[in-house]
Amino acid sequence: GDSVTQMEGPVTLSEEAFLTINCTYTATGYPSLFWYVQYPGEGLQLLLKATKADDKGSNKGFEATYRKETTSFHLEKGSVQVSDSAVYFCVSYGSASKIIFGSGTRLSIRP
Amino acid sequence: DAMVIQNPRYQVTQFGKPVTLSCSQTLNHNVMYWYQQKSSQAPKLLFHYYDKDFNNEADTPDNFQSRRPNTSFCFLDIRSPGLGDAAMYLCATSRDPGTGGAKQPQHFGDGTRLSIL
Repeated sequence: GDSVTQMEGPVTLSEEAFLTINCTYTATGYPSLFWYVQYPGEGLQLLLKATKADDKGSNKGFEATYRKETTSFHLEKGSVQVSDSAVYFCVSYGSASKIIFGSGTRLSIRP
Repeated sequence: DAMVIQNPRYQVTQFGKPVTLSCSQTLNHNVMYWYQQKSSQAPKLLFHYYDKDFNNEADTPDNFQSRRPNTSFCFLDIRSPGLGDAAMYLCATSRDPGTGGAKQPQHFGDGTRLSIL
């Protein structure tokens, strides 16, 4: 069945470091892919999305490219800030309207 | 701003005492979802409505029920809460996913944190 495998956390980085959070998926067909961010005590917010192969989603300095050949949607940011500390979820929304969440990656940024 | 609003933000109930959580939306989305999220875990889908069509996940306990009286409102009823039901409950909405092509993102409320005494 469909699945999403996400990089285990927690991830701790210093401010201005480069960030990568890996995400791979298995799906029948071509799902739409999303990254959501969850700040402490809040709901999930859409960070970025991509709906077909080679699409690049971007927002607030974050980017992710839909790679069909590697079935991946890795999240990247060139220079993280303390305010980026949160939990990040990779989500696949594919055939049969099945929404699959990755396990989440907790990110902590040190000043 | 169009949004998804959950009330209350924090709810405390007693073991076995029925409780209702509410969700409203101003986005006019026809799909509404209820998720349960326990600490350090991904949200777990309980059920969703496609308009008035109710879709229960296979592993959602019978203790959990839902009502959607109109497009804007959706309620989660827990008939006899147990200690294991303490969690954050998230409501989300989305536009019609359609039969193919690009799927629409979900819009989440800030959740209701439920505690069981």
